[in-house]
Amino acid sequence: DARVTQTPRHKVTEMGQEVTMRCQPILGHNTVFWYRQTMMQGLELLAYFRNRAPLDDSGMPKDRFSAEMPDATLATLKIQPSEPRDSAVYFCASGSPRGGNYGYTFGSGTRLTVV
Amino acid sequence: TQLLEQSPQFLSIQEGENLTVYCNSSSVFSSLQWYRQEPGEGPVLLVTVVTGGEVKKLKRLTFQFGDARKDSSLHITAAQPGDTGLYLCAGGSGGGSNYKLTFGKGTLLTVNP
Repeated sequence: DARVTQTPRHKVTEMGQEVTMRCQPILGHNTVFWYRQTMMQGLELLAYFRNRAPLDDSGMPKDRFSAEMPDATLATLKIQPSEPRDSAVYFCASGSPRGGNYGYTFGSGTRLTVV
Repeated sequence: TQLLEQSPQFLSIQEGENLTVYCNSSSVFSSLQWYRQEPGEGPVLLVTVVTGGEVKKLKRLTFQFGDARKDSSLHITAAQPGDTGLYLCAGGSGGGSNYKLTFGKGTLLTVNP
């Protein structure tokens, strides 16, 4: 089965350090999403791209978060500087909007702990 | 802001019991999806419903989209321990390049042997 691959699976870092999370979407999917999941807030949409162009990053704290898609096989989410409140599981998902409504395929997530 | 409220938040039942979980909103969605998430993994799509009143069945799972396309339910018959997980509903909105999903916070289901 085709998969969305996220690395690393786990990351523990100190407050103030830079964190980079990577995602390889499913080949042929032209839409990529970044979500953050916490117990309190559930799944929150941070940003998404279509055909590598950023469409919406309104869910992302702009001062410290950045999302890019340097090529069709790689999406990155960067936090600089990281803070303890950024601790969460970050998911990447990809999809292909043929015919309108469609589902996403999620990766296994990056569990981030900022101490 | 579109919100999806899921209930109950937690549900613990015995193997063989039936259950229904709900997903409600004041907003109209173009589609409604249900996902199941197991510990340490990402959500996995179970079903997409797009027509008001639509009912879909997936083995022991029955999904229904409300007539007004604002709510949905998931019914599980004769639950099994393998059904344990976080069940998330997600509403689709916007069209074309603006299409995106809004997720509820989920129902955490535990099926005890």
